Amino acid sequence: DTAVSQTPKYLVTQMGNDKSIKCEQNLGHDTMYWYKQDSKKFLKIMFSYNNKELIINETVPNRFSPKSPDKAHLNLHINSLELGDSAVYFCASSYRGPGEKLFFGSGTQLSVL
Amino acid sequence: QKEVEQNSGPLSVPEGAIASLNCTYSDRGSQSFFWYRQYSGKSPELIMSIYSNGDKEDGRFTAQLNKASQYVSLLIRDSQPSDSATYLCAVNGVSGNTGKLIFGQGTTLQVKP
Repeated sequence: DTAVSQTPKYLVTQMGNDKSIKCEQNLGHDTMYWYKQDSKKFLKIMFSYNNKELIINETVPNRFSPKSPDKAHLNLHINSLELGDSAVYFCASSYRGPGEKLFFGSGTQLSVL
Repeated sequence: QKEVEQNSGPLSVPEGAIASLNCTYSDRGSQSFFWYRQYSGKSPELIMSIYSNGDKEDGRFTAQLNKASQYVSLLIRDSQPSDSATYLCAVNGVSGNTGKLIFGQGTTLQVKP
């Protein structure tokens, strides 16, 4: 009965590879997000989709491309991975839009070697 | 100036004491304020939300908001070792009209038995 689920939980890969992280929420929320948490625990928003429409696109390298096939799913594809991409990536959702309380997935620990 | 600032700690308190966690924010128009708890290796979970000036109590937790001073705090009474975690303050950012939640860097709390 997981509310926000993301896969995989761990991702270890080489520099230059392409990888994807998937997220699904069964809360019926309208808005989904990708946040990145660095080694110092700082959580920073990357993207947000509301009903499949991109509404927040922070200053993120264009190697990162989000996709939302429907309002319950949000995926993140990363091209040409770099060492600095190593972090924990959290998917989250909120009932209507940004500014509301967030429900987080369990996170994906990405390690780029 | 960071948009949301917290003392990273660690804040160490003995079991049974009151832990006081503080957060300041820069956007005077912010309306929504949240405290999240994050255990090591886990995702953030919402513990308190507050929208109006004053105090809001929920069990052992009290959130305090002072919009004039742009200050929000979290008090944990009768602190338990299980409260040891990183506490993240989140504020909705009004600039740019996205309303996105902006997180502080978190305060690590250690409750010693």
